[in-house]
Amino acid sequence: SSGLTQDPAVSVALGQTVRITCQGDSLRDYYATWYQQKPGQAPVLVIYGKNKRPSGIPDRFSGSYSRNTASLTITGAQAEDEGDYYCNSRDSSTYYLEVFGGGTKLTVL
Amino acid sequence: QVQLQQWGAGLLKPSETLSLTCAVYGGSFSGYYWSWIRQSPGKGLEWIGEINHRGSTNYRPSLTSRVTISLDTSKNQFSLKLASVTAADRAVYYCARKNSGSSSPGSHYYYMDVWGKGTTVTVSS
Repeated sequence: SSGLTQDPAVSVALGQTVRITCQGDSLRDYYATWYQQKPGQAPVLVIYGKNKRPSGIPDRFSGSYSRNTASLTITGAQAEDEGDYYCNSRDSSTYYLEVFGGGTKLTVL
Repeated sequence: QVQLQQWGAGLLKPSETLSLTCAVYGGSFSGYYWSWIRQSPGKGLEWIGEINHRGSTNYRPSLTSRVTISLDTSKNQFSLKLASVTAADRAVYYCARKNSGSSSPGSHYYYMDVWGKGTTVTVSS
């Protein structure tokens, strides 16, 4: 299977911890990459590789894995973390094919 | 700091060819794949295809018959052409740089670390 499955929406209270998950068979073979997208803007890379953050991404963002599930954890969510989060990986069958999850809309309450 | 600037026609009629260009500023063209991704209104991201600095391409299987990605290394630009557009091709189109890393010898991972701002393409008769 080439699909990546994400929960459509998740909410978190300000300052609390939230986990956004991404499930798919390809995650047994490839790392997930995570992007944050705010309305009207291009996606921004937040986590890549095993658990790497680009320069400028706060350390409250972290990535983890278990079997066929990748997780993005925000520890101490801030209002500015609200947005859509997409996971991305390669397809297990067609190695060059990049696939994205359907996205998770994060609301910070 | 690498920046991508993209442009192209934003309004097309059905059956026309979508044409977008992305210029790479402030960084090397070599050593990366250069990608196109689109996002239909209110929907998620869809990878279209990519090209590396040698001109080697990969395309989304469902779009292979209509898509061409090319590059102009002298200008540090790469382009997307999508033929025979329909209303289903209406989307925001993004260009992006695909970077790579290695977690262990022989094992690589990939990620899109620089994105253009996006171009809105509408298809209407």
